[in-house]
Amino acid sequence: LAKTTQPISMDSYEGQEVNITCSHNNIATNDYITWYQQFPSQGPRFIIQGYKTKVTNEVASLFIPADRKSSTLSLPRVSLSDTAVYYCLVGVSNDYKLSFGAGTTVTVRA
Amino acid sequence: ETGVTQSPTHLIKTRGQQVTLRCSSQSGHNTVSWYQQALGQGPQFIFQYYREEENGRGNFPPRFSGLQFPNYSSELNVNALELDDSALYLCASSSGSGWNEQFFGPGTRLTVL
Repeated sequence: LAKTTQPISMDSYEGQEVNITCSHNNIATNDYITWYQQFPSQGPRFIIQGYKTKVTNEVASLFIPADRKSSTLSLPRVSLSDTAVYYCLVGVSNDYKLSFGAGTTVTVRA
Repeated sequence: ETGVTQSPTHLIKTRGQQVTLRCSSQSGHNTVSWYQQALGQGPQFIFQYYREEENGRGNFPPRFSGLQFPNYSSELNVNALELDDSALYLCASSSGSGWNEQFFGPGTRLTVL
């Protein structure tokens, strides 16, 4: 799986937009980009997946530039309950191994 | 629709003992993957079972073994426990082999003393 680099931590306030950028310089042609969210003492939860340009769902948006060497997860108007660790993963759809890095700890303050 | 469940929630063992962790996959899912998550780190892939067969394995020694049953539930067995085996063990289920969206259970917290 392509190696990913993301910030260790980010702080924000309620109501703000949080953008987490993940670098994946060695991404392969068939690789997809997927983000998971994990709360303490819980399993990770799928947030969003994309291949190129922009993907949006009810929770987040994923922006992928044309060269696909990075991606940005955007969380609109965060609340305290969005405090969690966010993981960026890159890999092909038929690769069963999910390889999680250390993730980005997002702390939302009142 | 029932989600992924794991048992037990917490477990304390001593070094050298053996442990069995259990996972019930989400309804309709035939694939189960197991992960080990040490404190402060991301989950690390142990192995995956698809239709009762091991479908791939991460960098874990043979004392980590597993089973998948006809109802697609699964067990993770760890023999000769070591202190470093202390971690949160996560089970995830998905439909089909490969890297489909995986649904994780709450995990089993194993402490080895």
